[in-house]
Amino acid sequence: GENVEQHPSTLSVQEGDSAVIKCTYSDSASNYFPWYKQELGKRPQLIIDIRSNVGEKKDQRIAVTLNKTAKHFSLHITETQPEDSAVYFCAASPGYSTLTFGKGTMLLVSP
Amino acid sequence: SQTIHQWPATLVQPVGSPLSLECTVEGTSNPNLYWYRQAAGRGLQLLFYSVGIGQISSEVPQNLSASRPQDRQFILSSKKLLLSDSGFYLCAWSVKRGLSNYGYTFGSGTRLTVV
Repeated sequence: GENVEQHPSTLSVQEGDSAVIKCTYSDSASNYFPWYKQELGKRPQLIIDIRSNVGEKKDQRIAVTLNKTAKHFSLHITETQPEDSAVYFCAASPGYSTLTFGKGTMLLVSP
Repeated sequence: SQTIHQWPATLVQPVGSPLSLECTVEGTSNPNLYWYRQAAGRGLQLLFYSVGIGQISSEVPQNLSASRPQDRQFILSSKKLLLSDSGFYLCAWSVKRGLSNYGYTFGSGTRLTVV
C-alpha cells in the first residue's frame, strides 16, 4: 500500500516568512495529492490539491509543487500570518483507493 | 451544495458501554464514506470506508464496526468501549468520478472520552 512521509513535524517561522512542508510517497500509481489544514479542536479542511498531470498549482499565498519522478510534493506558504498556525497534513492516493495521510506538521507563526 | 453532518460533538462514555456515532451527507448521491480516528497526537487513522450501501471495508481490526444502512448515512458502533477507544472520530465523504475519488471533506468530528 501507499506510504506517505512528511517533514518537518514542527515548523516555527516569523510572521511574513515563507514556510515549506515536504512529503514523499511510495506508490507510483498515486495521482491525487491534497493538503489539509487542521486548527486546534477542529476538522481538517482541504486547502489545496494537485493531480499528477500538473506540476504546480497556486492559490493566493499557497502553492503546491509535485515531482512525480522523485515522488515528492511540497506545500509552500508565503507571507505567513499568525492565523496560518495549525497542523498541516499531506496525503496521496491512486484515485481508485483511499487517501493515505502523512503524520502532520505543526506550523507555528510568531507575530 | 454538499454538507456533511456528524453527531454528537462530544461524548463521555464508561468503559464497557455501547457506542453509536452517526454521519449523514446531503446534496450528493452515492458518495464514498469514511471513518477516521485521531488519537492524542496528530495522525489520521482510517478505520472503515464504504463505496455503497451495505459495503464496508475495515482497515484496522479492532473493537469497532461500521454500517451503511442508507446511501448517505454511515454509522460507527461498538458493543463495549475500551479506554483505548478514546479519540477524535471524523467522518468524511469523497466525490466519485469513474474509478477515482477526490475531494475528501470531513465532518466536524466527535470527541469521545472513555472513562
